This record gives sequence, C-alpha cells and structure tokens, in this order.
Amino acid sequence: DGGITQSPKYLFRKEGQNVTLSCEQNLNHDAMYWYRQDPGQGLRLIYYSQIVNDFQKGDIAEGYSVSREKKESFPLTVTSAQKNPTAFYLCASSINFSNQPQHFGDGTRLSIL
Amino acid sequence: AQSVTQLGSHVSVSEGALVLLRCNYSSSVPPYLFWYVQYPNQGLQLLLKYTSAATLVKGINGFEAEFKKSETSFHLTKPSAHMSDAAEYFCAVSGGHFGNEKLTFGTGTRLTIIP
Repeated sequence: DGGITQSPKYLFRKEGQNVTLSCEQNLNHDAMYWYRQDPGQGLRLIYYSQIVNDFQKGDIAEGYSVSREKKESFPLTVTSAQKNPTAFYLCASSINFSNQPQHFGDGTRLSIL
Repeated sequence: AQSVTQLGSHVSVSEGALVLLRCNYSSSVPPYLFWYVQYPNQGLQLLLKYTSAATLVKGINGFEAEFKKSETSFHLTKPSAHMSDAAEYFCAVSGGHFGNEKLTFGTGTRLTIIP
C-alpha cells in the first residue's frame, strides 16, 4: 500500500542535541511538507518542498533544517537552536504544490529529557 | 493572505444527533477548502474537499460540507453521530499563487460523542 512513513514514533532529545526525524513516501508525490502541532494551535508549517532538490521555509522555520535529495525522502532536523522543540511533528505529501489535498504520516512525538 | 476560523474548540453531541462543526474562511481568490479528521496520536486523514465544482460536497464516513460564498463558510455536518466520530477535526484553505497554494489550517475542533 502507498503511504507516508514517519520514524521514530517517539523521540527524546537532550539539551543541546540535534535530532533528525525521518519521512518517506512511496506515493510518487512531488511536494512534501513538515508541520508542527501543539495543543490548541492547529498545524503550523515548518518547511515545504515543491520538488526534489528544492525547499522553502514555512511559517516557523527557525531552529529547523531539511533536505530533499530524493523524491521519496524529506528528513527534518531539529537543531539545538530550537528552544522549545517538544511537539508532535507531522510530515505530509501531495501530488504537486498547486492546491492539492495532502496525505499525512502518523507523526513523531518529540520530547526533551 | 488566507485564514480559517473554526468556531468552538470543543463540541459535544449525543450519539445519533446531528453533528455540526463550523468553519469560516478568508481568501482573496476563489478558495480550495478541505476538512481533515485526526484520531489520537495519528496523522490527519482527508474527509472531503471543495474545488469549485458542486457546492455540496460529500465525503467519507457520512460527512458532508456546504460551500457558501456569501457567508464565507464551509461547515461540516453529519446527520447522525456515531461513537467512532469522536476525534479532532481541522478545516483548511488554500488558493491562488505565489505561496498561497499551501494549506492554512484552523486550530481544530474536538468532537466528543455522548453515549
């Protein structure tokens, strides 16, 4: 079955540590997205990629970095510069970037030790 | 810029009763509108989408939504609530070009079903 796989499901980070969240899709979608979800705030866009080897900052990109070297993969690194990283992170993809519905993974919950 | 307002962060209905979740949008161009559902510790699943065809859109699990341009609304309804409908629901809007193609989400409405 086609879909989006996020790993790990739970992740713990120590202060000052960078961590990378994995996102893989086998839907052959061009566009991919990373969202952060906090209680009562809905989803906020961190980064998005319209096509392989290209990505743009979203609304809350500070303290995060991404890469898009392969069409199916869009990893997110939460750096030590992100002072409040505890959240639920969701990866999504869509056929293309033009007003299409997005398909979501099951998320990664990141906590600080 | 576009935005979405979901009225009521929490809604409770009795099993078998009508479900009505409210969504109002703001967009300077004809919008694309979406409703998503999220179960605990899972991602979002698309319920339905409006893309300028019929104003009454039918989705999965018996849900439907009506696009009303004059009221800038896209409310989600289901005639008879089921226990399995308990979840969080998000309305989202996109439209236009130059960055406005991406989705803007509302803050969500948590639906509780009373047995």
